[in-house]
Amino acid sequence: NAGVTQTPKFQVLKTGQSMTLQCAQDMNHEYMSWYRQDPGMGLRLIHYSVGAGITDQGEVPNGYNVSRSTTEDFPLRLLSAAPSQTSVYFCASSYSILRLAATGELFFGEGSRLTVL
Amino acid sequence: SQQGEEDPQALSIQEGENATMNCSYKTSINNLQWYRQNSGRGLVHLILIRSNEREKHSGRLRVTLDTSKKSSSLLITASRAADTASYFCATDVGGNNRLAFGKGNQVVVIP
Repeated sequence: NAGVTQTPKFQVLKTGQSMTLQCAQDMNHEYMSWYRQDPGMGLRLIHYSVGAGITDQGEVPNGYNVSRSTTEDFPLRLLSAAPSQTSVYFCASSYSILRLAATGELFFGEGSRLTVL
Repeated sequence: SQQGEEDPQALSIQEGENATMNCSYKTSINNLQWYRQNSGRGLVHLILIRSNEREKHSGRLRVTLDTSKKSSSLLITASRAADTASYFCATDVGGNNRLAFGKGNQVVVIP
C-alpha cells in the first residue's frame, strides 16, 4: 500500500498565484485532514473531512479551500497565495472518526513544502 | 490555540541513556497520543493513552498521564541514534473530530 501520498513535495509560488496540493490515500479511510507545520508552532489543523461530501474547518482555515468528492482524495486549494502561507503542509487520514477517537492514530503523508514569494 | 506543549524543547543525550519529555494541556481530554517525526518526514504514531489510564508501555516507550496536573510524559529507554527525531504530543479534546498537536520536542541521540 502507498498509504497517504502528497504531491507536489516542493512548490514555489508568487504572491497571488493559486495552486492545489493533492492528497490521496489508498487505505479506504473515511477521515482526512490537512495540517500546516511552522517552526515553533507545531501542527495546526486547516480543514478536515469525515467522509466524502463532508468537510469542516479546523483551527486556521482562512485562505484555504477543500473538497471531498471521493473517499480517496482530499485536495487543498490556495486561491491567492500569500507569504504567510509559506509552510510545510501535511495530509493525514484515519479509518473513521470513531477509530480516530478510539486509537488516536493518524496516518501522515510525507509533506508538501510550499514557499510563497 | 495549541492544546499541548512539550517541555523541554530540545534534548541531547548519549546513546544508551534515557530520554524524557513532557507535555501539558489545558482542557479535559479523552486521550493523549505521542508522535515521532524524523527530519523531513511525516509524523508517525507511537502510542496512545486514555484519560482513565495512568501509565502505558510499548517496547522502549513508557507514557504516563496525570489528568489532575493535565500533563503527560514520554520516556524512551536505552536510546538509540535512530531515536533522533522530534516528538509531538496530541490531544483529542473530544466532540470536535480534531487532534490538537503540541509544538514538538527535538531529541538528538549522540552515538
